[in-house]
Amino acid sequence: KNEVEQSPQNLTAQEGEFITINCSYSVGISALHWLQQHPGGGIVSLFMLSSGKKKHGRLIATINIQEKHSSLHITASHPRDSAVYICALNYGGSQGNLIFGKGTKLSVKP
Amino acid sequence: KAGVTQTPRYLIKTRGQQVTLSCSPISGHRSVSWYQQTPGQGLQFLFEYFSETQRNKGNFPGRFSGRQFSNSRSEMNVSTLELGDSALYLCASSATGGSNQPQHFGDGTRLSIL
Repeated sequence: KNEVEQSPQNLTAQEGEFITINCSYSVGISALHWLQQHPGGGIVSLFMLSSGKKKHGRLIATINIQEKHSSLHITASHPRDSAVYICALNYGGSQGNLIFGKGTKLSVKP
Repeated sequence: KAGVTQTPRYLIKTRGQQVTLSCSPISGHRSVSWYQQTPGQGLQFLFEYFSETQRNKGNFPGRFSGRQFSNSRSEMNVSTLELGDSALYLCASSATGGSNQPQHFGDGTRLSIL
């Protein structure tokens, strides 16, 4: 069983729609990251969460530590949001390396 | 501030050869982590270097190795290349590499093995 499960695997939306991507995990963590990867391959770190909620522009990330679940929301989606969104975990301590989900491929149609 | 720089961006090798990839972290960052991304396995952790020492290692064979220099630049080496080593290799840097630190990724090196 994967330690990190993302859903859905693929998501197609119309421009302007509200989007939710989910991440569930089965291990204790110190932080959860949401990453964005565009077709060229480079990865951008969107959020790092250890509790609560964070907002940046049209992006909102939440985490429930007790339920071991996090969500990434995109409001007023735009075609430029089309990318793969990846949930990743930090176990904690000196181990800064990340454990990754399989990613959610988002396509936003104009 | 310049971002994480990986060179080369693309590389084509044949089976049995060896390859060296380079990663220059953000100035002031002392931790560099390497990851492999394939369509089948997704992103997987290779190893992390901090202050010229390998601090953590993922589950990869000994053909995969790395090092870090005093200026924090890092290289990874893959010897006796196999077809399955074809992947996007990403490095990421952070200030000290502990948990709860954001990681800054490079654009990756896409390695193709013929």
